[in-house]
Amino acid sequence: KAGVTQTPRYLIKTRGQQVTLSCSPISGHRSVSWYQQTPGQGLQFLFEYFSETQRNKGNFPGRFSGRQFSNSRSEMNVSTLELGDSALYLCASSLQAGFSGNTIYFGEGSWLTVV
Amino acid sequence: DQQVKQNSPSLSVQEGRISILNCDYTNSMFDYFLWYKKYPAEGPTFLISISSIKDKNEDGRFTVFLNKSAKHLSLHIVPSQPGDSAVYFCAASGDDYKLSFGAGTTVTVRA
Repeated sequence: KAGVTQTPRYLIKTRGQQVTLSCSPISGHRSVSWYQQTPGQGLQFLFEYFSETQRNKGNFPGRFSGRQFSNSRSEMNVSTLELGDSALYLCASSLQAGFSGNTIYFGEGSWLTVV
Repeated sequence: DQQVKQNSPSLSVQEGRISILNCDYTNSMFDYFLWYKKYPAEGPTFLISISSIKDKNEDGRFTVFLNKSAKHLSLHIVPSQPGDSAVYFCAASGDDYKLSFGAGTTVTVRA
């Protein structure tokens, strides 16, 4: 079956712009979570959505937002981009809400470069 | 505030030998721990996990040890193979259902 699909894979934006990243979870999965990966910082949790509701949110400023649609697809948006937002953004999906290890599947990520 | 720490950014080991990756955490509410493996240009893939009610979990060449009193866990890979060369992330979750990751350890297995 198809894995977690993230688009776009690579993009370059200018400071002050905004960006929208998309994630299609594995068919049947209802939970989608987002992570930011930067060198030396590991993966930082952004938020988790389940059945179109944000269940949990990490410690990121309000410029970072997300949503989930009725088909479980999710988008995250970053407004007023800063140089420090350059990172790999990873989406993960699972059948149920919360985390239980081997039920979480990651996409290949979207590489965002802010110049 | 980094609640999960992997203090060794890199590890080089000879093929056939044991790889030991370490991870420390600060949040005593964490009750589930996982290791993920990541190749370049790919998303992380789940490797092995352990719940706080256990102190050891084994899956083939991979064994995870948990020392709750020391808030420390480790991943042992025996024997190490060239395909094990990757970045390994330690992660932990508690009752708030957030996954906290460490910064990762890059493992290089030498032939």
